[in-house]
Amino acid sequence: AQSVTQLGSHVSVSEGALVLLRCNYSSSVPPYLFWYVQYPNQGLQLLLKYTSAATLVKGINGFEAEFKKSETSFHLTKPSAHMSDAAEYFCAVSFYNNNDMRFGAGTRLTVKP
Amino acid sequence: NAGVTQTPKFQVLKTGQSMTLQCAQDMNHNSMYWYRQDPGMGLRLIYYSASEGTTDKGEVPNGYNVSRLNKREFSLRLESAAPSQTSVYFCASSGTPYGYTFGSGTRLTVV
Repeated sequence: AQSVTQLGSHVSVSEGALVLLRCNYSSSVPPYLFWYVQYPNQGLQLLLKYTSAATLVKGINGFEAEFKKSETSFHLTKPSAHMSDAAEYFCAVSFYNNNDMRFGAGTRLTVKP
Repeated sequence: NAGVTQTPKFQVLKTGQSMTLQCAQDMNHNSMYWYRQDPGMGLRLIYYSASEGTTDKGEVPNGYNVSRLNKREFSLRLESAAPSQTSVYFCASSGTPYGYTFGSGTRLTVV
């Protein structure tokens, strides 16, 4: 069965620093991969998705992620953190016609002034 | 605004009480889902409905039932609430495999 592992339950960066949130997946077939963001007391919002097209995926708010099949990874990056990026981030995996999207445990991002 | 609407937003139940969480979407999506979110565990799928008239179990279905009332509405019922069901519940919908739209959640406490 497919699954995702997010490395680091908490990540803290300074404003303006690089953001790197790590996600590794396990899937027996080519996966679809997603990053979602959750702000306090809100639902999840889709940041970006990989669906077997370009391996470098650009999303909203300046985030991007690169699908690396050889490393089974889909890490999320942003060159320069902003205070408004403070939130919880979830990596998720599914595949076509599969209604069972599996989520990682989440990484809470803190941005220090 | 188009999206997924969940009611209620907050609920406190006593052990053994029953309740139904309501979810409606206005995006004409075929698929709908119920997840629970617990600290350190991410989101876990309870039940899903791939189309009107069908429902299937997810990862953690025990203690829950669902009804796909029509294409718009998908409800989650707790027949006899237990403290282990204290959680935040999210409904989501999808028209394709390419990502879900989530509601804002229901925070349920069972005492």
